[in-house]
Amino acid sequence: DIQMTQSPSSLSASVGDRVTITCRASQSISSYLNWYQQKPGRAPKVLIYAASGLHTGVPSRFTGSGSGTDFTLTITSLQPEDFATYYCQQTYSTLSTFGRGTKLEIK
Amino acid sequence: QVHLVQSGPEVKKPGASVKVSCKTSGYTFTRYSFSWVRQAPGQGLEWLGWVNPYDGHTNYAHKFQDRINLTTDTSTSTAYMEMKSLKSGDTAVYYCARDTRTTLGMSRLDYWGLGTLVTVSS
Repeated sequence: DIQMTQSPSSLSASVGDRVTITCRASQSISSYLNWYQQKPGRAPKVLIYAASGLHTGVPSRFTGSGSGTDFTLTITSLQPEDFATYYCQQTYSTLSTFGRGTKLEIK
Repeated sequence: QVHLVQSGPEVKKPGASVKVSCKTSGYTFTRYSFSWVRQAPGQGLEWLGWVNPYDGHTNYAHKFQDRINLTTDTSTSTAYMEMKSLKSGDTAVYYCARDTRTTLGMSRLDYWGLGTLVTVSS
């Protein structure tokens, strides 16, 4: 199975900050990489698909980049509603896998 | 609008089986596959498997392939996840999610159910 390693596992930031979360795959996955946001007690929501595609309705302060094994999710100008847990997911393999998540907390 | 409505919470004893349903509306059921994802209390997301309602084809995570069965009923636009031989470690919220693909075949889970809590306890 393809392993997805996210870093950091947690992150403290302030409203207005710029933050970057990384995701590394154990083998090349081309651009088959999605990012999700999850808030407590809620289902995840897709933010970014195919490494850099912005899902419908997602604010433009969320950007994704990368290909091969290394990917990043960047949030510019953090808003209060952005404090949540973020997960990457590879869909290169028919057996998909998620990263362990990055919890973004208010400083 | 697209809706995925999951069945209610379940409490099962170790060794038992559970079947969770995911009834859909608002789109053509056979045009999109489903993934099932679970989340144990305080833990991350875990992908369980995938089913294509058009032809019934499935893929299962290696960890679950002996215990899980994903099916669909096109007459009611409903997807099902059945897991047998339950253990306490299977206690989790189980989500169904619609799988949308780009023209290049890149998928993402764009609509999710609210989740079904399955508790396994003696």
